[in-house]
Order: sequence, then structure tokens, then C-alpha cells
Amino acid sequence: GENVEQHPSTLSVQEGDSAVIKCTYSDSASNYFPWYKQELGKRPQLIIDIRSNVGEKKDQRIAVTLNKTAKHFSLHITETQPEDSAVYFCAASIYGNKLVFGAGTILRVKS
Amino acid sequence: GAVVSQHPSWVICKSGTSVKIECRSLDFQATTMFWYRQFPKQSLMLMATSNEGSKATYEQGVEKDKFLINHASLTLSTLTVTSAHPEDSSFYICSAEGRQGTGELFFGEGSRLTVL
Repeated sequence: GENVEQHPSTLSVQEGDSAVIKCTYSDSASNYFPWYKQELGKRPQLIIDIRSNVGEKKDQRIAVTLNKTAKHFSLHITETQPEDSAVYFCAASIYGNKLVFGAGTILRVKS
Repeated sequence: GAVVSQHPSWVICKSGTSVKIECRSLDFQATTMFWYRQFPKQSLMLMATSNEGSKATYEQGVEKDKFLINHASLTLSTLTVTSAHPEDSSFYICSAEGRQGTGELFFGEGSRLTVL
């Protein structure tokens, strides 16, 4: 089955700097790669996703890149703000099938 | 996005009792819902896939007789933790696919279960 690895486990950045979180997946058939943000005690919120027919997607300060050959994808957050502090999870799936999550990255944005 | 509601948001129970958690899709129909379990500071682990009108599919290592799942309608799935023990204490989260076949999941608020 699919296995998703996520790095780093914790990331501290200064406000205004960029943050990058990387994930690798094992199943070459996976074609859907979402990123979720989870604040303490709350539900995961979808922040951006990318499908296998696209190499990059951007939404304001957030971008995701996908390298299908290497089987890895990354989340990029620019101009970080304190409210970006949370746990971020990457995930992978085949359309309509179960999502497999990475271990999560605790992002701390220091002001 | 699609709205998924989960109830209760927290519950405390005694060992040996059973607890039922409801997951509802409020503005769409969900033939498939997923139940996840999350321990503190850990990732979401899929427990089972709930299929409307048929038996749930459980992940390896998840006891189906302990975690009963019923998906009786297109908008409601329930998870019952039977004969709960302290080690069952966890954050349980359901999710549903907003648009079938897209893989895009929307999550309920989660239910924090504490078994004394």
C-alpha cells in the first residue's frame, strides 16, 4: 500500500520568511496530493491540493510542487505569519480512494 | 466547501461502556465516509471506510467488532466504540468526499473520547 513520508517534523521560521515542507510517496499510481492544516484540537482543513497532471499550483502565499518522477511533492509558504503556525499534513491517494497521511510537520512562526 | 458535522465533540465514559459517534454530511450526499483516529501529536490513521448500504472496510489491525460502523443513509455514518477501555481514548475524526471520485476530503470537527 501507499506510504507517505514527511519532513521535517518541526520547523521554526521567522515571521516573513518562507517555509518548505517536503513529502515523498511510494505508490506511483497515486494521483491526488492534498495538504491539510490542523490547529490544536481542531479538524484538518484543506489548504491546497495538486493532481498528477499538474506540476505546480499556487494560491496566494501557498504553493505546491509535484515531481512525479521522483515521487515527491512540497508545500511552500511565503511571507509567513504567526497565524500560519499549526501542524501541516501532506497526503496521497488514488482518486476516490483512501487518503494516506504523512506524519505531520509542526510549523512555528516566530514574530 | 462541503460541510461535515460530527457529534459529540467530546465524551467521557467509564470502562466497559459503549460510545456512539455520529458523522453527517450536511450539504451533500456521501456514499463513502472515512473514519480516522489521531493520538496526541501524531498523524491521522485510517481506521475504516464506511460504505452506504454495505459493510465497512476495516484497515489491518482495526478490530471490527470493537469499532462498529454503520452507514445507513447517504448523509450519516456512525462509529460505535464498544466496551471502551482507557487505551481507546483518542481523537476520532470522520471525513467524506465532497465530490465523488475526486479524493477531496472534508473533515468533521472530531470527537475526543476519554475512557476512565
